[in-house]
Amino acid sequence: EPEVTQTPSHQVTQMGQEVILRCVPISNHLYFYWYRQILGQKVEFLVSFYNNEISEKSEIFDDQFSVERPDGSNFTLKIRSTKLEDSAMYFCASAQGLAGGNEQYFGPGTRLTVT
Amino acid sequence: KQEVTQIPAALSVPEGENLVLNCSFTDSAIYNLQWFRQDPGKGLTSLLLIQSSQREQTSGRLNASLDKSSGRSTLYIAASQPGDSATYLCAAEMEYGNKLVFGAGTILRVKS
Repeated sequence: EPEVTQTPSHQVTQMGQEVILRCVPISNHLYFYWYRQILGQKVEFLVSFYNNEISEKSEIFDDQFSVERPDGSNFTLKIRSTKLEDSAMYFCASAQGLAGGNEQYFGPGTRLTVT
Repeated sequence: KQEVTQIPAALSVPEGENLVLNCSFTDSAIYNLQWFRQDPGKGLTSLLLIQSSQREQTSGRLNASLDKSSGRSTLYIAASQPGDSATYLCAAEMEYGNKLVFGAGTILRVKS
């Protein structure tokens, strides 16, 4: 069964460093998302991406964050200068088509630890 | 702003019991309601998706219902098993944009 994959599973970085989290969505999916879950808190939406552009972003997704689909398979989240409060589990998700009937499928997550 | 609430926060039941998890949302302008399972330190596994035009969806021992007008969804688990122990999350997909808004989850423990 097709699945969303994410690498790395765990990333440790120092405050102020740049990190890139990588995702391979399900191959025929058109909508891509990043969410994050700070330990003990709710899963929060960060950004959605369709047709090579951001379709929606939350207030969390400030200028330190960017997303890219550099080729036909990868979808990346870059954090330019990490802060301690960026420590969280980051989930990538993909969906086949338009909102209103299409499940979002989540990857296993990347645990980001900022020291 | 959409708020999703799940009750109870935690539930411990003996094996074999039928149980109901509750989810409520404040804004009825949703496309779908999706239920997920999350095991400790793991990703989210989609269990069921109910479209706003549907009232109910079933998969095996799981049945989810949706009452959009009252802002409620329930997940019914029949004949619970220890392997059902996990956190169950509900998430509302908004009509305006297609992001998911999550509840905090119900931590379920099924004792053998």
